[in-house]
Amino acid sequence: GAGVSQSPRYKVAKRGQDVALRCDPISGHVSLFWYQQALGQGPEFLTYFQNEAQLDKSGLPSDRFFAERPEGSVSTLKIQRTQQEDSAVYLCASTGSGRMNTGELFFGEGSRLTVL
Amino acid sequence: KQEVTQIPAALSVPEGENLVLNCSFTDSAIYNLQWFRQDPGKGLTSLLLIQSSQREQTSGRLNASLDKSSGRSTLYIAASQPGDSATYLCAVRFTGGGNKLTFGTGTQLKVEL
Repeated sequence: GAGVSQSPRYKVAKRGQDVALRCDPISGHVSLFWYQQALGQGPEFLTYFQNEAQLDKSGLPSDRFFAERPEGSVSTLKIQRTQQEDSAVYLCASTGSGRMNTGELFFGEGSRLTVL
Repeated sequence: KQEVTQIPAALSVPEGENLVLNCSFTDSAIYNLQWFRQDPGKGLTSLLLIQSSQREQTSGRLNASLDKSSGRSTLYIAASQPGDSATYLCAVRFTGGGNKLTFGTGTQLKVEL
């Protein structure tokens, strides 16, 4: 696609529910990142994929958070047993590869999660 | 710890004024630095990317500089317009930090008529 696409744009969950957030990166981009942005803060790194391999998950806040990218394109961030502190905007970003890649990151519009 | 700081947190200026946003980072070993714009309720729009070997980048009314040795970058906006009102975020890819970007908390800019 022309840009990074995320869905749903808005999600309201009751505490304890599981949620799944989807990211469709720019076509051909091998690197995919997930970030969490709390209100009034900068984005915080969650996890990084290169193709289907999850190379860095050091930012995932707990074992309730799980991300996958099974075919190296679309990625899903899953949050189990949601808590109120999980309320945030979840941003997905992608970047290309190869000698001509500048490393510039392109972000989607984000998925705003509200846990009641 | 590798950190990015942005000052000021908020800024209000009259239309037409030139302004400078500041970004500082704790480790001079970086791959690149990227400036983003974020409108309320929206994602991040990339403005400028500066590689570690570069001193500045320009796009239209925007100019970003990089001084690695002092751990600083500035974003200069010329002839500000109300449409420039947004939050501006600075992000650094540190060497040895993997491929992730480390973000500052942003500067919220309001350009008034």
